[in-house]
Amino acid sequence: AQSVTQLGSHVSVSEGALVLLRCNYSSSVPPYLFWYVQYPNQGLQLLLKYTSAATLVKGINGFEAEFKKSETSFHLTKPSAHMSDAAEYFCAVSYSGNTPLVFGKGTRLSVIA
Amino acid sequence: SAVISQKPSRDICQRGTSLTIQCQVDSQVTMMFWYRQQPGQSLTLIATANQGSEATYESGFVIDKFPISRPNLTFSTLTVSNMSPEDSSIYLCSVQEGTEAFFGQGTRLTVV
Repeated sequence: AQSVTQLGSHVSVSEGALVLLRCNYSSSVPPYLFWYVQYPNQGLQLLLKYTSAATLVKGINGFEAEFKKSETSFHLTKPSAHMSDAAEYFCAVSYSGNTPLVFGKGTRLSVIA
Repeated sequence: SAVISQKPSRDICQRGTSLTIQCQVDSQVTMMFWYRQQPGQSLTLIATANQGSEATYESGFVIDKFPISRPNLTFSTLTVSNMSPEDSSIYLCSVQEGTEAFFGQGTRLTVV
């Protein structure tokens, strides 16, 4: 069975600091991995996805994530946090194009001025 | 990319009543998925809806409580029946094209 673990339900960083949101997955087959962002009172927006191509994936808004099979990880990073990055971030996994995503519990990112 | 229209966007309902949420996709899709996001929680899959067949429900969700219709390849409805305050959540429909999932904006339901 697939599962996703997001370490840290709440992460707080200073504006301009590195953002690191952790995600570890469990999958019996090569996974597809996703990061979504949810701003307050809004729907889900895809930040980036890994689908077995390049292991370093670049997404929108300056975010990127690296797929590390040996560590079963897909951590999300951004070199410099901006106030507008404050939101809830969800890591998700699936193993084929027609199976629903399994979501992690989410990490709330706060950015301090 | 698929565009999903979901309505209503929000509603406040009395306990004991039912609410039907509609999801319209701008392209034909085989499967549609319904998720629930309880306050401060992650997304949990309720059911998978295929056109022309009964929906497949996840553990903890039953058809009597969450009946789903899928009359064609672009439309689905989810009904939340006999509501209680514990049903207060955001309900989202989703479709997948290849490896990418698309979501509606969600229906924010408050049961009083």
